[in-house]
Amino acid sequence: DAGVIQSPRHEVTEMGQEVTLRCKPISGHDYLFWYRQTMMRGLELLIYFNNNVPIDDSGMPEDRFSAKMPNASFSTLKIQPSEPRDSAVYFCASQAAGYNQPQHFGDGTRLSIL
Amino acid sequence: AQSVTQLGSHVSVSEGALVLLRCNYSSSVPPYLFWYVQYPNQGLQLLLKYTSAATLVKGINGFEAEFKKSETSFHLTKPSAHMSDAAEYFCAVSEANAGKSTFGDGTTLTVKP
Repeated sequence: DAGVIQSPRHEVTEMGQEVTLRCKPISGHDYLFWYRQTMMRGLELLIYFNNNVPIDDSGMPEDRFSAKMPNASFSTLKIQPSEPRDSAVYFCASQAAGYNQPQHFGDGTRLSIL
Repeated sequence: AQSVTQLGSHVSVSEGALVLLRCNYSSSVPPYLFWYVQYPNQGLQLLLKYTSAATLVKGINGFEAEFKKSETSFHLTKPSAHMSDAAEYFCAVSEANAGKSTFGDGTTLTVKP
């Protein structure tokens, strides 16, 4: 079975540009999570969805960040405008229903804002 | 509210030595507990999980963890470290009314030849 698929794997762009990260969760999974990982701050939960509905976006750092899940098989995380401090690895994870289920992570998008 | 504390952000062992990574949790209800491993340039992947069936849980790559309710701990061990075990390890807790798992800050394991 295919795992969680993220694209692009790497993104380098200039400050001020719009960045869109994409995620395809595992089919049948009800939950989708977006994380950010940096050396300084570690792994941070940004937002998560249940059945395509955003449940908790308290980790979204600023209004420049937005996330959508238009259907069960696709989600985007958008940064507009981007800033150098947004440079990080962004992970998407999905999970089947049930709090005893593990999260399945994608390989991440390494984002560099120049 | 659920929380996890991983004691020691960095652990270094020699190849062949015992690996012990510590995790303590806080939960208001019986929890489910997980250990994940992250290799360089990869996402986190599940090592093992505790779901109340047995207190000693065996995972992949020779790792195991023991759930100790009296100590609120779920430490990860491996009898003999291998160079390929070098990675970052995350402990996570999940409870029914939380809606999601809470991850610890991670422990980086270095294995010396």
